[in-house]
Amino acid sequence: DAGITQSPRYKITETGRQVTLMCHQTWSHSYMFWYRQDLGHGLRLIYYSAAADITDKGEVSDGYVVSRSKTENFPLTLESATRSQTSVYFCASSELVESSGNTIYFGEGSWLTVV
Amino acid sequence: TQLLEQSPQFLSIQEGENLTVYCNSSSVFSSLQWYRQEPGEGPVLLVTVVTGGEVKKLKRLTFQFGDARKDSSLHITAAQPGDTGLYLCPNRDDKIIFGKGTRLHILP
Repeated sequence: DAGITQSPRYKITETGRQVTLMCHQTWSHSYMFWYRQDLGHGLRLIYYSAAADITDKGEVSDGYVVSRSKTENFPLTLESATRSQTSVYFCASSELVESSGNTIYFGEGSWLTVV
Repeated sequence: TQLLEQSPQFLSIQEGENLTVYCNSSSVFSSLQWYRQEPGEGPVLLVTVVTGGEVKKLKRLTFQFGDARKDSSLHITAAQPGDTGLYLCPNRDDKIIFGKGTRLHILP
């Protein structure tokens, strides 16, 4: 079924390890986003991408790396995981953001615990 | 940079009561969307409003866009436990910023 999928859904990792969260969308949307959600902070933008090979920082990008070699994939990498990166991570996609009425579609989330 | 503020940040009310939550911006919205996030899931679009003064209804939910397109309200009539969730109104720049939203809890 078409949509936006994230993997893994749940992950426990150790401090200092590299972790990659995958995001795949089947709509060929131009824009893709990564957010993290922590209690009391709502959704905070980590990185976004306007098209393949174009990425830009969001509100809380330190410690994260992204790539977008293909339109449909937008992996998020924690190069050296820290406990403060324990969070729920949401990937999202949308078509031309500047146009009115374009829905932002979210994945189901990836629960990451860093121990 | 568009600054967004949602209020209240938290709201806990009894089933059957009415409530209103607000989204205010420092600048004009080209369009405004409301999303609801239920526990354990990603946010889902509820409505998009485009025209200043526009009112849209979705069952017991009434959305109003301010005349100046800098604010919006969401009114829920006879709240039900299924309305529990986080209500969000993002900006509409390239960087889609959601902010903290309004966390609503309806007590049965």
